Amino acid sequence: EDQVTQSPEALRLQEGESSSLNCSYTVSGLRGLFWYRQDPGKGPEFLFTLYSAGEEKEKERLKATLTKKESFLHITAPKPEDSATYLCAVQASRTGANSKLTFGKGITLSVRP
Amino acid sequence: NAGVMQNPRHLVRRRGQEARLRCSPMKGHSHVYWYRQLPEEGLKFMVYLQKENIIDESGMPKERFSAEFPKEGPSILRIQQVVRGDSAAYFCASSRRGGTYNEQFFGPGTRLTVL
Repeated sequence: EDQVTQSPEALRLQEGESSSLNCSYTVSGLRGLFWYRQDPGKGPEFLFTLYSAGEEKEKERLKATLTKKESFLHITAPKPEDSATYLCAVQASRTGANSKLTFGKGITLSVRP
Repeated sequence: NAGVMQNPRHLVRRRGQEARLRCSPMKGHSHVYWYRQLPEEGLKFMVYLQKENIIDESGMPKERFSAEFPKEGPSILRIQQVVRGDSAAYFCASSRRGGTYNEQFFGPGTRLTVL
């Protein structure tokens, strides 16, 4: 069974204090790893997809990286508007499971001004 | 450039009633996915549909739940004889294609409350 574990569950940062969010996964053949941002009362907002170990993607203050066992979401000099829950999900490559996403429980990030 | 649309945004039902949740995918997307988010839990996959076909329903409860995506109109998630444990946020996502490179874009969700 595919599993995704995110840590820490919650993270409080001071504005400008860089940090990383961790996503560890177990999947039988990784097709893709996805990062989403979710604000309270809203649906997940797509951020990145990573397909192979060593791949990196950036968007503004966010940078996602991928290894064979985990992914990191690095946040550089965060601002209060970066406060949200960050979700990690995996997609397996095996037949019959190659479209659904398996999500972790998310990391709630709070950035204080 | 409308995104995924879901309605209603909030739905209140009494135990034993039926709930119908609707999802219109993004323009150009023909693949629809339903997920459920229970309090304090992560998003859980329920069902994957293309037009007029259920592709994967491995996450659907065996009883009371059904889904469809007709040739015309939105995708419907139907819950019969709702119970309090069905209270959750239900999210629909759509993608342009299935398989590899199928980034899924989510709607705002329907929050179901069962009294």
